[in-house]
Amino acid sequence: DTAVSQTPKYLVTQMGNDKSIKCEQNLGHDTMYWYKQDSKKFLKIMFSYNNKELIINETVPNRFSPKSPDKAHLNLHINSLELGDSAVYFCASSQGYSGTGSSPLHFGNGTRLTVT
Amino acid sequence: DAKTTQPNSMESNEEEPVHLPCNHSTISGTDYIHWYRQLPSQGPEYVIHGLTSNVNNRMASLAIAEDRKSSTLILHRATLRDAAVYYCIGDSSYKLIFGSGTRLLVRP
Repeated sequence: DTAVSQTPKYLVTQMGNDKSIKCEQNLGHDTMYWYKQDSKKFLKIMFSYNNKELIINETVPNRFSPKSPDKAHLNLHINSLELGDSAVYFCASSQGYSGTGSSPLHFGNGTRLTVT
Repeated sequence: DAKTTQPNSMESNEEEPVHLPCNHSTISGTDYIHWYRQLPSQGPEYVIHGLTSNVNNRMASLAIAEDRKSSTLILHRATLRDAAVYYCIGDSSYKLIFGSGTRLLVRP
């Protein structure tokens, strides 16, 4: 059973297109996240939702819009894709906030986005 | 934010213990220390976390210095599967901020 699953695994698209990445977790967690890992392998938090409510938005361009239809899903929609958006995007979940020290993050295996 | 400093890379022989150091001199009294690892082509994986006392689980041990300015992740017997990037993270209200980590190479 996959705890945090992302689709698609690979996404190749052209500049200017709009694309979405889906994430689902079956752990019953109430908090979900999107992280971006760039070519230098730095992992940066983008968004966090707790019980479908946005709690973290880390100065991400407006072209990125997360949507949480329910606690088990957090999708990421990207408008007008740019070359610099190429990266691996990871979804994660936790029970409660990850920063409290009591709830480990569970990550998906990532979506590799390539913008040409 | 509790900034952490780790060596870029370390090497170990298979079946030997590995001690991965982390400095976090700016950590506050309530910040936990978290360790995650990332195997090639996978998402990060939780390893262990602690506040003041040393912690043990099935994957590793975490030794936290008495002044909490540093900690050491201990893998008791490294296997080839332990080759990964290990991240030491000081938590910061509602989010974990990953640094550049230590790349662990395990020699057969």
